[in-house]
Amino acid sequence: SQTIHQWPATLVQPVGSPLSLECTVEGTSNPNLYWYRQAAGRGLQLLFYSVGIGQISSEVPQNLSASRPQDRQFILSSKKLLLSDSGFYLCAWSVPGLGFIEQFFGPGTRLTVL
Amino acid sequence: TQLLEQSPQFLSIQEGENLTVYCNSSSVFSSLQWYRQEPGEGPVLLVTVVTGGEVKKLKRLTFQFGDARKDSSLHITAAQPGDTGLYLCAGVQGAQKLVFGQGTRLTINP
Repeated sequence: SQTIHQWPATLVQPVGSPLSLECTVEGTSNPNLYWYRQAAGRGLQLLFYSVGIGQISSEVPQNLSASRPQDRQFILSSKKLLLSDSGFYLCAWSVPGLGFIEQFFGPGTRLTVL
Repeated sequence: TQLLEQSPQFLSIQEGENLTVYCNSSSVFSSLQWYRQEPGEGPVLLVTVVTGGEVKKLKRLTFQFGDARKDSSLHITAAQPGDTGLYLCAGVQGAQKLVFGQGTRLTINP
C-alpha cells in the first residue's frame, strides 16, 4: 500500500531564517506531487506541483521554492522566511494519467514564523 | 484561475438534524471532489462526481453534481458528532491540478 510522510510535524522559525520541509511517498512510482498551504481552517492554496524528477511548476509567486531530487521525494524550501509564510503545509500525491485526480495527502507540517 | 465558492463557511447544528452545504463556480469542471479534514491532519477524499446530474450516496451523505457541472452539494441526514470537520470541495483544473474551495466548517453538537 502507498504511504506519504512529511516532516517535521511542527516547526517554529524566526523571520529571515531558511526553511526545508520534506515529503516522501512509498509504494508507488512516478507519482504527481503537490505542495499546498492552508490558512487556519480554510481552503488549500496550491504552491507547486511536479510530474517528474526535476520538473516543478510554480503556481504562486513568492519566496518559496520546490525541488524533486528523486522520484518520490519533494522538498519545499525558502532562503529567508517571512511572517506571512506561517501556515499548515500539506504534501500530496496522485497517480498520473487518470481521467480525474484523486489526491492523497500527508499529515502536514505546522509552520509558525515569529 | 477557476474559483469555487463554498457556503455556508461555518455551520453549527444539533445532532440528528439535516444539513446541506454548497459548492458553486461560474466555470465548468470535468469532475468535482469532496474532502473532509480533521484538525491537524490532511484532507481525506470522500467522493468524486464526474457526470452532470450525478448523485452519489455514502451512508448518510448524499453528493450531487449540477447538470451544468458548475456546482455541487453535500447533504447530510441525521448528522452525528463524528461528522464534525472541515468539508472541502475541489474541481479538476487542466490535466493535473485541483482547485479547492475555502471550506465549510461543520460542528455537530451532541
